[in-house]
Amino acid sequence: AQTVTQSQPEMSVQEAETVTLSCTYDTSESDYYLFWYKQPPSRQMILVIRQEAYKQQNATENRFSVNFQKAAKSFSLKISDSQLGDAAMYFCAYTGANSKLTFGKGITLSVRP
Amino acid sequence: DGGITQSPKYLFRKEGQNVTLSCEQNLNHDAMYWYRQDPGQGLRLIYYSQIVNDFQKGDIAEGYSVSREKKESFPLTVTSAQKNPTAFYLCASSLTSGTGVLYSNQPQHFGDGTRLSIL
Repeated sequence: AQTVTQSQPEMSVQEAETVTLSCTYDTSESDYYLFWYKQPPSRQMILVIRQEAYKQQNATENRFSVNFQKAAKSFSLKISDSQLGDAAMYFCAYTGANSKLTFGKGITLSVRP
Repeated sequence: DGGITQSPKYLFRKEGQNVTLSCEQNLNHDAMYWYRQDPGQGLRLIYYSQIVNDFQKGDIAEGYSVSREKKESFPLTVTSAQKNPTAFYLCASSLTSGTGVLYSNQPQHFGDGTRLSIL
């Protein structure tokens, strides 16, 4: 079975600075997809970024980018120019052949003004 | 605007009572999902449905039941057999191939959730 591990329960970043959130996963599959979801205090889950395992190029979405290391099974999220609105819980998620999402336990990010 | 609507936002259950959480989507998605979220935990899959009149158990289906009579609707019933129902429940939907095969690369779209508590 696939597992997703987010080992840091909390992180803090100064506004306008850069922060990296870590995620590792375990799988025996070669084709899969990885996601980062954001859950603000409103509790709605919002897709931040998506990475296809067969693509070597790291995905980017405006201030959000990933560092995808397939051999190391690592999928970290970098947030540049952090804003107060980035404060939220962030979940890393994996989906493979069975198309079911497996989530990590999440990390709470706070942004200091 | 297309989206997923969950109701109610807050729900209270008495001992021995069954309660039903509503989930409606107008995204024309075939696949729908129910997740449970507990403090300090990620989301755990309760049930999912790839097509109307068909659904499968997820990782924590015991004490829950679902139906999928319409494409737009996927209600979740928390039965009295679920001894620890207090949690935040999230409904989601995603695209499929049209023949019921889930697309791995399609992200799931989530509703705003329902918080269930025991009286």
